[in-house]
Amino acid sequence: GAGVSQSPSNKVTEKGKDVELRCDPISGHTALYWYRQSLGQGLEFLIYFQGNSAPDKSGLPSDRFSAERTGGSVSTLTIQRTQQEDSAVYLCASRPYVGGADTQYFGPGTRLTVL
Amino acid sequence: RKEVEQDPGPFNVPEGATVAFNCTYSNSASQSFFWYRQDCRKEPKLLMSVYSSGNEDGRFTAQLNRASQYISLLIRDSKLSDSATYLCVVTPRRALTFGSGTRLQVQP
Repeated sequence: GAGVSQSPSNKVTEKGKDVELRCDPISGHTALYWYRQSLGQGLEFLIYFQGNSAPDKSGLPSDRFSAERTGGSVSTLTIQRTQQEDSAVYLCASRPYVGGADTQYFGPGTRLTVL
Repeated sequence: RKEVEQDPGPFNVPEGATVAFNCTYSNSASQSFFWYRQDCRKEPKLLMSVYSSGNEDGRFTAQLNRASQYISLLIRDSKLSDSATYLCVVTPRRALTFGSGTRLQVQP
């Protein structure tokens, strides 16, 4: 079946502009995560959605970052007034179960470059 | 201090060699442990889960020491296709916490 998809695959923007990144999780997966990976670094957790519960926003680096998940499916990560340090690969992952140690399935990522 | 620490490498080994990676984590409440593999400019993919009793999957063996908060990955008979970055992952919360990864380069 289809995996996690993300769009766009690449985004180049100018400092100060707003960007929206989209994630389509695997159908039926209840949990959705956003991470970012800066060059040569590990993945950094940003935000987590689980069903209808309030999202865990503890990883968002500043109030310029926000995310929503509509209808329990597609999610959009918005970065306002982008800065050069926001340049990274933004990865989305989904997971089918509420709890347990099951795996997360990652999308291919969106490579964001802020000039 | 990072929640998950790994030696960044690179580890340069010849084909057929045995190589071991280590990882330490700081949150003793961590419940689940994994090794992920990430190829250059690709998304991470699960390599294997790590269980307290140790577990093996073909040429790969993972071990966990909860007392020392230490995880290891052993790769036997290295192949060229094993060249990648290996990410140690723990779950002190529902999101995954990743180490920065250890880069492996297997040479012919």
